[in-house]
Amino acid sequence: NAGVTQTPKFRVLKTGQSMTLLCAQDMNHEYMYWYRQDPGMGLRLIHYSVGEGTTAKGEVPDGYNVSRLKKQNFLLGLESAAPSQTSVYFCASSSPETKNIQYFGAGTRLSVL
Amino acid sequence: KQEVTQIPAALSVPEGENLVLNCSFTDSAIYNLQWFRQDPGKGLTSLLLIQSSQREQTSGRLNASLDKSSGRSTLYIAASQPGDSATYLCAVIVSGQNFVFGPGTRLSVLP
Repeated sequence: NAGVTQTPKFRVLKTGQSMTLLCAQDMNHEYMYWYRQDPGMGLRLIHYSVGEGTTAKGEVPDGYNVSRLKKQNFLLGLESAAPSQTSVYFCASSSPETKNIQYFGAGTRLSVL
Repeated sequence: KQEVTQIPAALSVPEGENLVLNCSFTDSAIYNLQWFRQDPGKGLTSLLLIQSSQREQTSGRLNASLDKSSGRSTLYIAASQPGDSATYLCAVIVSGQNFVFGPGTRLSVLP
């Protein structure tokens, strides 16, 4: 059982470049989330999705876009990367059927130069 | 706006000691509270979830309590082991989709 899988694990970008982070879950969860984790600031919610074809903004959505074309996948896009987006990005999924216990991926470490 | 704090920020204890980690939140209108463990360079692993109607949950050597009225939760670890060394985060769940995380407590258990 793979759980939540994030790709890639590491990435270095130059300012202005674009990229997409992929999150895949095999638990048939309805809800999926993207967080960023920065030193001393805890995890902050970027965007989330409550089902296929639906997305919503979290606490820090600026500079990011998301898509949930399939229930098992949640994509996070950076259209024009900035140094302030250097962070560790985590994807998570949950289901109301299991009390919304969140299951996390291993993270993507992104550096923007 | 819901804010979550955790005290202490870091803790170092000798092996075998019992310890308590604290989590405080500013708004008592929460659905649930969840404790996680994070190992260096890894994702978060759920330890315990306490529903708002519950006072505590136990799993092995871990016991988590919740006092909504005072905005506090504690995570009790009994007979600590070096393998317990990690960062522990709490998160309050204000809706099905809105988790607010604390900054974490970094625990070191010395052999």
